[in-house]
Amino acid sequence: AQSVSQHNHHVILSEAASLELGCNYSYGGTVNLFWYVQYPGQHLQLLLKYFSGDPLVKGIKGFEAEFIKSKFSFNLRKPSVQWSDTAEYFCAVNAPYSGGGADGLTFGKGTHLIIQP
Amino acid sequence: DVKVTQSSRYLVKRTGEKVFLECVQDMDHENMFWYRQDPGLGLRLIYFSYDVKMKEKGDIPEGYSVSREKKERFSLILESASTNQTSMYLCASSLRQGAREQYFGPGTRLTVT
Repeated sequence: AQSVSQHNHHVILSEAASLELGCNYSYGGTVNLFWYVQYPGQHLQLLLKYFSGDPLVKGIKGFEAEFIKSKFSFNLRKPSVQWSDTAEYFCAVNAPYSGGGADGLTFGKGTHLIIQP
Repeated sequence: DVKVTQSSRYLVKRTGEKVFLECVQDMDHENMFWYRQDPGLGLRLIYFSYDVKMKEKGDIPEGYSVSREKKERFSLILESASTNQTSMYLCASSLRQGAREQYFGPGTRLTVT
């Protein structure tokens, strides 16, 4: 079965600091990759996705992620964080044997990011 | 705009009660999913459905059942609620093509006392 690892469960940064959240997955074939964000009291929403093409993907609110196939990684980055980026961030993978069959996603356990003003 | 709605944001039920959680999507998506979200455990898949009247077990189906009588509606049923089913329940939907990104509802926070 697929697995997705998010290495940092809690991250605390100051405003304007740079952010990188790690995500590794276990499947060696073709994958679709996602980062979701859940702001306090709000629903999960898609931050960005990799489907094909350029491995550097840009998403909403200045976030980007790089797909490195050789490292099975899809790390999320932002050059300068803001207080409003405080949220829970989830990495997810669509691949054969994902949770939910061929059309499902396997999620990491999440990273709780706190930005201090 | 994509929309997934869930019938309740907050629900309090007693042990042993039968509980129904409803989810409706307006995007004509084939796939629908039910997850529970618990701190430190991420999202765990309970059940999913690829089509009307079709259902498949996810990773933690015990104590739950589902119903999909119409394409846009997917119901989660707790046959006899227990305190260990206190959790946040999330519904999602997706297409059967493309990247398969899922769109989530706002969640139902269920407390079983």
